Amino acid sequence: KNEVEQSPQNLTAQEGEFITINCSYSVGISALHWLQQHPGGGIVSLFMLSSGKKKHGRLIATINIQEKHSSLHITASHPRDSAVYICAVSTGNQFYFGTGTSLTVIP
Amino acid sequence: GAVVSQHPSRVICKSGTSVKIECRSLDFQATTMFWYRQFPKQSLMLMATSNEGSKATYEQGVEKDKFLINHASLTLSTLTVTSAHPEDSSFYICSVKRGTDTQYFGPGTRLTVL
Repeated sequence: KNEVEQSPQNLTAQEGEFITINCSYSVGISALHWLQQHPGGGIVSLFMLSSGKKKHGRLIATINIQEKHSSLHITASHPRDSAVYICAVSTGNQFYFGTGTSLTVIP
Repeated sequence: GAVVSQHPSRVICKSGTSVKIECRSLDFQATTMFWYRQFPKQSLMLMATSNEGSKATYEQGVEKDKFLINHASLTLSTLTVTSAHPEDSSFYICSVKRGTDTQYFGPGTRLTVL
């Protein structure tokens, strides 16, 4: 079993839809990261959080430490949001990465 | 099992010395490898993109003479931190990519420079 599980693996949405990507983890963490990768590109860090909620533009990330769960929400989705979204956790000694959620937003 | 390994997992060195970190792709030949670092309480930051047989492409603000990257084969990339200083203390993470496939990340190397 992977230390970090993401769902769904693939997601297709219509432009304008509200999108949620989920991440569950099984290790004690010092921080959780949400990363974005566009086709052919490197990883871009979207959020780093250890509690509560963060918002940046149309992106919102939440974390529930007790439940070991985090969600990434995208409001009013746009085709340019199409990318792979990766959840990663750091324990202080090591990083664990989810396998990613491939999001396609259709105009 | 692990797809990407890094060695060492932790290293402590004296200021002024050089440290080499290895990143190995265990399951496939990786056309592209990426190097990231994470300073304490900060997000991951891309340092450079490395393609086998060619020079690495460094991100703005990353000194190529200080962070030497050698992508010697399709399964091995090395990052050498030259003349390390305490401010170089960080978590260094590599990832590998095969073609247009997803990236696979290594577990990271924690560097502490005294």
